[in-house]
Amino acid sequence: SQTIHQWPATLVQPVGSPLSLECTVEGTSNPNLYWYRQAAGRGLQLLFYSVGIGQISSEVPQNLSASRPQDRQFILSSKKLLLSDSGFYLCAWSRTGGSVGYTFGSGTRLTVV
Amino acid sequence: SQELEQSPQSLIVQEGKNLTINCTSSKTLYGLYWYKQKYGEGLIFLMMLQKGGEEKSHEKITAKLDEKKQQSSLHITASQPSHAGIYLCGAVYGGATNKLIFGTGTLLAVQP
Repeated sequence: SQTIHQWPATLVQPVGSPLSLECTVEGTSNPNLYWYRQAAGRGLQLLFYSVGIGQISSEVPQNLSASRPQDRQFILSSKKLLLSDSGFYLCAWSRTGGSVGYTFGSGTRLTVV
Repeated sequence: SQELEQSPQSLIVQEGKNLTINCTSSKTLYGLYWYKQKYGEGLIFLMMLQKGGEEKSHEKITAKLDEKKQQSSLHITASQPSHAGIYLCGAVYGGATNKLIFGTGTLLAVQP
């Protein structure tokens, strides 16, 4: 069966520090991968998506970047965190094409202080 | 501008009452997903609708997609405290990426 792992669950980082959040998928190959951010406990904003290794598309301009070094690994990074980067980050995957379902990770709560 | 709008933004109902949450798209969608979320937790998949006029039910929750595939409603019958949370609709508009775009969310509180 397919599973998705996301860590850490919570993170408190000072302003200006770097960030690395990791997401891995098991039990499938060539998934579409997504990073979302949820601010103030409301709707989710799509930040990045990837259809393959090394292929990253950014949805919104921001202080963050994403990378996909392996087929089932998706990393969200920042060189210098801002207060506005605080939020709840969710990773998700889906199969390519057709009627698809989306599986979400358990999320990382990031607080920038 | 937001492609997917939800209404209301927040809702407080008495236990046992029915309620409806709406999700409206600015363009025809390929698929519509409903999720529930407890604050600060991951998403719980509720239902997926794809065909115009489609309706699905699970326990006391019913979701419908209109014929034009631009509007969906989520209806909860005889609400319970366990229904409280954030309800999110997500839409896929097709394409190779299958990007799931979310609405603004509806915060539901159920008072005992």
